[in-house]
Amino acid sequence: KQEVTQIPAALSVPEGENLVLNCSFTDSAIYNLQWFRQDPGKGLTSLLLIQSSQREQTSGRLNASLDKSSGRSTLYIAASQPGDSDTYLCASNAGNMLTFGGGTRLMVKP
Amino acid sequence: EPEVTQTPSHQVTQMGQEVILRCVPISNHLYFYWYRQILGQKVEFLVSFYNNEISEKSEIFDDQFSVERPDGSNFTLKIRSTKLEDSAMYFCASNRGTGGLYGYTFGSGTRLTVV
Repeated sequence: KQEVTQIPAALSVPEGENLVLNCSFTDSAIYNLQWFRQDPGKGLTSLLLIQSSQREQTSGRLNASLDKSSGRSTLYIAASQPGDSDTYLCASNAGNMLTFGGGTRLMVKP
Repeated sequence: EPEVTQTPSHQVTQMGQEVILRCVPISNHLYFYWYRQILGQKVEFLVSFYNNEISEKSEIFDDQFSVERPDGSNFTLKIRSTKLEDSAMYFCASNRGTGGLYGYTFGSGTRLTVV
């Protein structure tokens, strides 16, 4: 059974800092990995989808990497802003369902 | 950008009552899903639906749960007799295909409170 873990559980940084969020998964037989952000108690907004054959994907200030063999993905956020404050979730797709990590709560202080 | 729409945004029900949560997936998507998130816990898979039948379900999705696509646009989750532990945020999602080529699009969720 796939297990997805995210470290750290919470992170507080000053505005402008670059940061890395970590995601690990136990079963490397995945089709893709998707990163989401979630407002507290609200919906999930997709940020990046990285296919199993890809090493990384970029969108604006976000860059996601994937190392299937080691079961790891990272989400790099450049020049963080207070508006980036939210919970970030990673989810692995091994077929017809997503398995989510517990999330990283990010606070960017002005 | 196309969206998955869920109604209602918040529902309060008494224990033992039936509830129906509604979703309108993206129109050209073929695969539909329900997930839930109990407060403070991970988002969990409930069920996937394709070609008018359940394709996969988790152990959470017992006989108290059912899904239906009553017409060409709506996708519903019914809980027959709600329990206190059914209180959670329920998310609908859709996908254009399977096999990992496409990402999932989630709705904004229905917060179900069972009292």
